Amino acid sequence: EAGVVQSPRYKIIEKKQPVAFWCNPISGHNTLYWYRQNLGQGPELLIRYENEEAVDDSQLPKDRFSAERLKGVDSTLKIQPAELGDSAVYLCASSWTASSYEQYFGPGTRLTVT
Amino acid sequence: DAKTTQPPSMDCAEGRAANLPCNHSTISGNEYVYWYRQIHSQGPQYIIHGLKNNETNEMASLIITEDRKSSTLILPHATLRDTAVYYCIVREGAQKLVFGQGTRLTINP
Repeated sequence: EAGVVQSPRYKIIEKKQPVAFWCNPISGHNTLYWYRQNLGQGPELLIRYENEEAVDDSQLPKDRFSAERLKGVDSTLKIQPAELGDSAVYLCASSWTASSYEQYFGPGTRLTVT
Repeated sequence: DAKTTQPPSMDCAEGRAANLPCNHSTISGNEYVYWYRQIHSQGPQYIIHGLKNNETNEMASLIITEDRKSSTLILPHATLRDTAVYYCIVREGAQKLVFGQGTRLTINP
């Protein structure tokens, strides 16, 4: 079974530039998550999707961050414009449902903003 | 904020049992205890979860105290590949996973 796929794995951009991250969840998983992980910290949930619907985006900085999950499968997380403080690892995860005990995480995208 | 408290780091010799403690004194009756781990440069990986009974799977054992205020994750025969950050999380139903800083476990040869 293929795992959660994320791209790119690494991204370096200058501040004020836009950036986008892509995630392909495990086939059949209805729930998709985006997390941000700062250095030395545990992951923090940014947004959760149930199929195409964003059901928990309370931690998403909506002034510069946006996300979409077209057709309830792949998802894209965008930052525009990026700030120095956005440097982090962005993790995507998926699960069968929101109450599933196991979330499957991708390898993450390491973003460096200079 | 995370509802659990874990030691920041631990060491264990290869081949020995690694016992990772977690305090969750404010756990409610419907909250499960979950353990995930994160190996360097990888995403977190689910290990095990439990409500009140002890649980065992191919990766580890979870021992939960009778009052449910603390638990211990046991890796019975630690290998170098078990070096990782281990997160103890309490969660009810579809609530989000709230990761703390975890315990950095180092397995020494």
